[in-house]
Amino acid sequence: EAAVTQSPRNKVAVTGGKVTLSCNQTNNHNNMYWYRQDTGHGLRLIHYSYGAGSTEKGDIPDGYKASRPSQENFSLILELATPSQTSVYFCASGDAYWGGGETLYFGSGTRLTVL
Amino acid sequence: QQKVQQSPESLSVPEGGMASFNCTSSDRNFQYFWWYRQHSGEGPKALMSIFSDGDKKEGRFTAHLNKASLHVSLHIRDSQPSDSALYFCAARPNNYAQGLTFGLGTRVSVFP
Repeated sequence: EAAVTQSPRNKVAVTGGKVTLSCNQTNNHNNMYWYRQDTGHGLRLIHYSYGAGSTEKGDIPDGYKASRPSQENFSLILELATPSQTSVYFCASGDAYWGGGETLYFGSGTRLTVL
Repeated sequence: QQKVQQSPESLSVPEGGMASFNCTSSDRNFQYFWWYRQHSGEGPKALMSIFSDGDKKEGRFTAHLNKASLHVSLHIRDSQPSDSALYFCAARPNNYAQGLTFGLGTRVSVFP
């Protein structure tokens, strides 16, 4: 089974502070994703990456940056955290292919509270 | 507008009963569908995918896809307490697209 590990599991930050959420995958998948989950909004895509050195904007990228320094690691960075970014964040990895699908493997999530 | 819509928002089913819920897409580019399940405190986990018209069965789970109407359903036979969870429908276009678009989920509660 694919393994995706997120850290920290819980984080409390202050408004205006910098927050970095980390994700590591041992599946050698090319693609990695950051989603946030909020009641009433489901799972929404923030940033994704096709491989080391690449980052792309998802559907709700404002206020977030991403970094993919290696195949295994993908970080989500909140330079100036705001209370509206209080949410549960999920990282996922997947290996898409032309003409077919891609199963995503999710981590256990990071619960972020911005005060 | 939500591109992937699920119904109902929640349902309760007796242990041993059948749970059924639905998903539709408003985007005709979506060709590939998945069902994911999320237990409380965990990340979503893929249950099954369905890409072709008709039924696909995996154990107690059966998915049905109608590509013409972009309607997908999931049926859980002989529901167990461990099936109590949030079920997401997810979809993507038929190209090398990025990620999945998720619905808001259907919360299933199995009662004894």
